[in-house]
Amino acid sequence: KNEVEQSPQNLTAQEGEFITINCSYSVGISALHWLQQHPGGGIVSLFMLSSGKKKHGRLIATINIHEKHSSLHITASHPRDSAVYICAVSSGGTSYGKLTFGQGTILTVHP
Amino acid sequence: DAGVTQSPTHLIKTRGQQVTLRCSPKSGHDTVSWYQQALGQGPQFIFQYYEEEERQRGNFPDRFSGHQFPNYSSELNVNALLLGDSALYLCASSLWGATTDTQYFGPGTRLTVL
Repeated sequence: KNEVEQSPQNLTAQEGEFITINCSYSVGISALHWLQQHPGGGIVSLFMLSSGKKKHGRLIATINIHEKHSSLHITASHPRDSAVYICAVSSGGTSYGKLTFGQGTILTVHP
Repeated sequence: DAGVTQSPTHLIKTRGQQVTLRCSPKSGHDTVSWYQQALGQGPQFIFQYYEEEERQRGNFPDRFSGHQFPNYSSELNVNALLLGDSALYLCASSLWGATTDTQYFGPGTRLTVL
């Protein structure tokens, strides 16, 4: 079993829909990261959180430390949101040491 | 302010050869981490460098080695290439000890081993 599991692996939505991607982890962490990867490889960090909830524009990330679970929500989805969304956890002595990644969720938003 | 840069962008090698990949961290960052991402998979941690020393290492064989220079840039070396080493190699930079910042990723180097 992977230390970081994401669901679903693939997600297709219509423009405007509310989207949720889930992440569960089985190890102790110092922080959880949500990242976005577009075709071609570039990875952009969306959120780093260790408790509670963060919001940036149409993106919301939540984490429940006790249940070892996090969710990424996208409100009013748009075709430009189409990308791979990856959950990762960091461990070690700092908040971002070694990152352990989930397998990613491929999101496709149709107009 | 330059972000994380990597070179080369693409590379084709044959089995048994050796390869060196390069990474320059974001301005102000002193820590470099390397990841391997096979097609359709999430990235896997290779190792992390700070103060020119390897600080953490993932589950990769000794064929994978690295170096960090005084200017914080870093190299990843892979010896005796195998077909399975074909992947996207990502470099990420960060500031050692910062607890509110995250890692910044480079565009990656796509390595193909034939």
